[in-house]
Amino acid sequence: DAKTTQPTSMDCAEGRAANLPCNHSTISGNEYVYWYRQIHSQGPQYIIHGLKNNETNEMASLIITEDRKSSTLILPHATLRDTAVYYCIVRQAGYSTLTFGKGTMLLVSP
Amino acid sequence: DTAVSQTPKYLVTQMGNDKSIKCEQNLGHDTMYWYKQDSKKFLKIMFSYNNKELIINETVPNRFSPKSPDKAHLNLHINSLELGDSAVYFCASSPEGSYGYTFGSGTRLTVV
Repeated sequence: DAKTTQPTSMDCAEGRAANLPCNHSTISGNEYVYWYRQIHSQGPQYIIHGLKNNETNEMASLIITEDRKSSTLILPHATLRDTAVYYCIVRQAGYSTLTFGKGTMLLVSP
Repeated sequence: DTAVSQTPKYLVTQMGNDKSIKCEQNLGHDTMYWYKQDSKKFLKIMFSYNNKELIINETVPNRFSPKSPDKAHLNLHINSLELGDSAVYFCASSPEGSYGYTFGSGTRLTVV
């Protein structure tokens, strides 16, 4: 599976949009982009995933560039409970496993 | 109605002991996993089972033996526990296809 690069940490003010970038320049055509987060002392939580098109659900939006070499996870109105480590992962569908990197520590402040 | 449940949540044991961690999922997923998160917070895949069959076994010592009695359960048995086995162990499951994983809340294992 392709590797990803994320900033180590980011800050965001409560109520503002949090935009978390991810580079995956070696992504293959059949690899999806997944985002997970891990709130302190909890298990990782699935957020969203996509292949080519932008995606939105109740938690976040995923913007994938046309060349698919990078993506941005958007939390439209960050709350204190969104403070967590966010992981961007690329993975083929099927039986390939999720390989976690170091992720981005997002700190949402009042 | 927890989707992926692990027991126990905390486990403190002495070196050399044998212990088991249980995992059950009620989502009807075909594939289950064990991950280990060490003190540096890196999450690493240990095992993957699909319909009770082992499909991935990363470089894990053979003191770790997963057991899947049915596709809803994946237990982890650890023999001769060592200090370095101290970590948080997460169980997860996923359906076929591109869908996301569902993780349990973790088991914090402390070997003293």
